[in-house]
Amino acid sequence: RKEVEQDPGPFNVPEGATVAFNCTYSNSASQSFFWYRQDCRKEPKLLMSVYSSGNEDGRFTAQLNRASQYISLLIRDSKLSDSATYLCVVSRAQKLVFGQGTRLTINP
Amino acid sequence: DAGVTQSPTHLIKTRGQQVTLRCSPKSGHDTVSWYQQALGQGPQFIFQYYEEEERQRGNFPDRFSGHQFPNYSSELNVNALLLGDSALYLCASNGRASYNEQFFGPGTRLTVL
Repeated sequence: RKEVEQDPGPFNVPEGATVAFNCTYSNSASQSFFWYRQDCRKEPKLLMSVYSSGNEDGRFTAQLNRASQYISLLIRDSKLSDSATYLCVVSRAQKLVFGQGTRLTINP
Repeated sequence: DAGVTQSPTHLIKTRGQQVTLRCSPKSGHDTVSWYQQALGQGPQFIFQYYEEEERQRGNFPDRFSGHQFPNYSSELNVNALLLGDSALYLCASNGRASYNEQFFGPGTRLTVL
């Protein structure tokens, strides 16, 4: 079983739709949690950190449930520019553990 | 302010050869981590360097080795290349002020024939 699991997709949704990604992690010693975005053939870039209290950045909302070891990302009013692979990431002692990534395509 | 840089951008090698990849961290960062990303997969942690020493290591064979220099730049060496080593190799850096936020370089795409 992989340490970080997420649905690989692909997700194809129309522009303006709301899309949700889910992720689970198996190591309870994980300390920090993130969503990274990776465009085709580019490096991953930090989208947002994830906190137990939930956090929002514009159209993006992330949530962490430590008891269930579950992380989510919600994208509202999706734009064409949101098309990318979204990587669920956990951190222990500065080591990042990535999920497989979920590929999202926003269609006009 | 230059971000993380890596060289070369692309590389083609044959099985059995050796390769060296290079990374310069973001200004002000002292910790460098290397990741391997196979096609369709998320990046996998290879190892991390701090103060010129390997601080921690992922589940990679000894064919993968590295080095960090006094200016914090780093090299990743892979010996006896296998076809399965074909991947995007990513370097990431962070500093004390950004303990958990790692900044990635553009990567080196290695193809082993």
